[in-house]
Amino acid sequence: DVKVTQSSRYLVKRTGEKVFLECVQDMDHENMFWYRQDPGLGLRLIYFSYDVKMKEKGDIPEGYSVSREKKERFSLILESASTNQTSMYLCASSSGQGDYGYTFGSGTRLTVV
Amino acid sequence: AQKVTQAQTEISVVEKEDVTLDCVYETRDTTYYLFWYKQPPSGELVFLIRRNSFDEQNEISGRYSWNFQKSTSSFNFTITASQVVDSAVYFCALSGLDQTGANNLFFGTGTRLTVIP
Repeated sequence: DVKVTQSSRYLVKRTGEKVFLECVQDMDHENMFWYRQDPGLGLRLIYFSYDVKMKEKGDIPEGYSVSREKKERFSLILESASTNQTSMYLCASSSGQGDYGYTFGSGTRLTVV
Repeated sequence: AQKVTQAQTEISVVEKEDVTLDCVYETRDTTYYLFWYKQPPSGELVFLIRRNSFDEQNEISGRYSWNFQKSTSSFNFTITASQVVDSAVYFCALSGLDQTGANNLFFGTGTRLTVIP
């Protein structure tokens, strides 16, 4: 089975800190995605990547950046964390162009204080 | 525009009751895919079903069934004889082209189902 692993389940950071959220998948998937999930808003796409060193902005990229130096790893970076970035962050991967569904990690609940 | 609407924010049922979760979508694509995911309290989204736009046959998998109606742009999900383990947030999603031309998944806002023992 495909496994998507997010390095932390819970994270507490201070305002202004640089935060790294790591995601690793083990099935050689080309595509990787970062979403944030907030009550009443569902899942919103932050960034995605269809190949190594490639990245595309999603619906809400402001305040975030990403890095994909290796195929299996996709990192989400909060350059200067703010309280409005307190959320659940979900990483996903897929082998096709979204047509085959995504496999999700367990999520990282980030609290910025 | 690509959009998925799950009008039911929260539903509570008593164990063994049947429950239907509604999903309505909008898309400009002629070929697209629809999905349902389950998010239990553990947080991980679990894939339940994928349906392409050319296949309107209803599908049944154990206590789960899905009703895809292109005429009403709906893809509803029914759980028969609900169980406490069905308590979760359920997301409907649509695969389609976003404004950049990339193929992505568009999610509804989710329906939280609580099954009361």
